[in-house]
Parts: sequence; C-alpha cells; structure tokens
Amino acid sequence: AQKITQTQPGMFVQEKEAVTLDCTYDTSDPSYGLFWYKQPSSGEMIFLIYQGSYDQQNATEGRYSLNFQKARKSANLVISASQLGDSAMYFCAMREGTYSGSARQLTFGSGTQLTVLP
Amino acid sequence: EAGVVQSPRYKIIEKKQPVAFWCNPISGHNTLYWYRQNLGQGPELLIRYENEEAVDDSQLPKDRFSAERLKGVDSTLKIQPAELGDSAVYLCASSSGQGDGYTFGSGTRLTVV
Repeated sequence: AQKITQTQPGMFVQEKEAVTLDCTYDTSDPSYGLFWYKQPSSGEMIFLIYQGSYDQQNATEGRYSLNFQKARKSANLVISASQLGDSAMYFCAMREGTYSGSARQLTFGSGTQLTVLP
Repeated sequence: EAGVVQSPRYKIIEKKQPVAFWCNPISGHNTLYWYRQNLGQGPELLIRYENEEAVDDSQLPKDRFSAERLKGVDSTLKIQPAELGDSAVYLCASSSGQGDGYTFGSGTRLTVV
C-alpha cells in the first residue's frame, strides 16, 4: 500500500489566487513527520513546511500553510496568493518515527505539477 | 554553510558502461541518503547510511549497484553495468538527526543511451 498519496497529477491556478494541493498518508506509527517540498525544473528539492504528528497547531511558513487533519490522515498544502514563480512540482513526504540521533528516510508521494497562470 | 554537494551534475553514458556519483554531505550530518527519481515521479530511497554503516539498503539493486561511505563523510554510488532503465536523477541528502532538517543536493541526471 502506498504510504503517501497525491491524487492531483496537475493543477492550474490563477496568479494571486490560493491553491490547495492534496496529500493523504498511511502509517501505524503514532509518531511521524510530514513534509512538503518544491522541485522546480532545475531539479533541486526545496523544503517548504513541516508538520509533526503531535503538533497541536497547523504549520505555517509565509504563504504556505499545512492543513493537517490527523483523523483523516491528510496533510494538504495551501499556497496563498500564488505567484508565477510557484510553478513547479510539489511533493508530500513522510518520515515515520521520531528523531533519536538517527533520521529515518523520507517517503515521497508521486507529486503534483502546479502551473500558475498570469 | 555549504549545502550537500553532488557531482557530476549531468552524465551521459552508453549502456553496459560503469558510472559513479559522488556526494559530500553537510558537515556534521551523520545520516546520508541516496535516492533515485524517475521522470515525473517522487524520489525513492536506494540506501541510507548512519556514519559509515549502511543501515537500510533493501531497495538497492545489489547486482549492479554499490555504494560506500568511507570515514562517514563523502559517499559514492556506483552502477556497473548501467542499463537503459537506470536513466534517472540520483539525489543525495543528509540529515543531522535532529529537528526537521533534510538537505538535498542538486542531483545527478543520468542518461543511459
């Protein structure tokens, strides 16, 4: 079974509008972390935002916010006021377990290609 | 602080030839990862190192892939012989094991012809 599911292969949004990118996850570990990365066409993976499974509040980083619904096992990324430079591939990822001096690997979804229209 | 450094950035080889990729992680990061990213897909883990020990290599195709991390710092990933299906981007990442930090290199884009 896939651990991270991103059901939107491609999304379009008008410049200055908000957009939500969906992510659902599957784990039996009570402790986990959820990440969103942006990958422009140049290829680098750019960290956007992190949510820990025990965090009480939804994470926010500037124009990025994470809509964390634990019971539904969803961790959707919301980008407010989209900009042309936001056009890229977006990946949701999960780390199971906690850090204990040893960082487990990230498991990635298949990604969503976001295109911001002028 | 320098990020994760990978080289080469691009590599084109003929099938059946060997190829090697190099990664220098962030100083002090004990954990190092190699991922493979096929076109249009998310990265998939090949191997994870804790210092010089490979603690998870279950997804590494051991018949043709090998990796090493001597002295727990730099790492090399090798493919011998390469096949057409190995064409992908090979990403290296490192982590200190604390906080939420994973840092990725720019990747090596391999094309096997």
